Amino acid sequence: EVQLVESGGGLVKPGGSLRLSCVASGFTFSRYSMNWVRQAPGKGLEWVSSISSSGTFIYYADSLKGRFTISRDNAKDSLYLQINSLRVEDTAVYYCVRPETLSGWHNFEYWGQGTLVTVSS
Amino acid sequence: SSELTQDPAVSVALGQTVRITCHGDSLRSYSASWYQQKPGQAPVFVIYGENNRPSGIPDRFSGSSSGNTASLTITGARAEDEADYYCNSRDRSGHVFFGGGTKLTVL
Repeated sequence: EVQLVESGGGLVKPGGSLRLSCVASGFTFSRYSMNWVRQAPGKGLEWVSSISSSGTFIYYADSLKGRFTISRDNAKDSLYLQINSLRVEDTAVYYCVRPETLSGWHNFEYWGQGTLVTVSS
Repeated sequence: SSELTQDPAVSVALGQTVRITCHGDSLRSYSASWYQQKPGQAPVFVIYGENNRPSGIPDRFSGSSSGNTASLTITGARAEDEADYYCNSRDRSGHVFFGGGTKLTVL
């Protein structure tokens, strides 16, 4: 059974930093691209970033480039998202997402339960 | 443009058929995927590659595409289908985009 378990969310002050983690199980993590998607309270889904299976190719939403860094450790079956200079508008549930197949780049089949990031003074 | 546009809200009578649409230039080159999200839950993947259903998704859910428009059709809507529905796609540079979502009400 595919499982994605996020952690690292919490309450942080504007300007602070957080590192989100996602531990994967139930599949060969190193063979899949991975993604972060976020959802602000009461709002829609927003793609944040994608990383290829080896970590060679990385993409970010244009509006978020510069403060977000995606990375992965295939030896630990783990995906990460470093967020710096946090803003109130970064408040959201952050989901770790795996695509449907090895080549289904945007077919987001498996979702974690999400981790809530709250940015507030 | 890679923006995807959805109607904010759609309603359907119980047992009837409803179509939820998604518009965007990227859909001319890349298929849409569709997601169902109920309050307090993570999204559920319901359609991909125009008209493929992941395991466990009822066959009353189907997809189609024409030009810059992708559609999700629910045939014989049930009360449990009331949810928010999102489409997504990608562009040639690997960026992914979601539509703004459609709130489906089953009357």
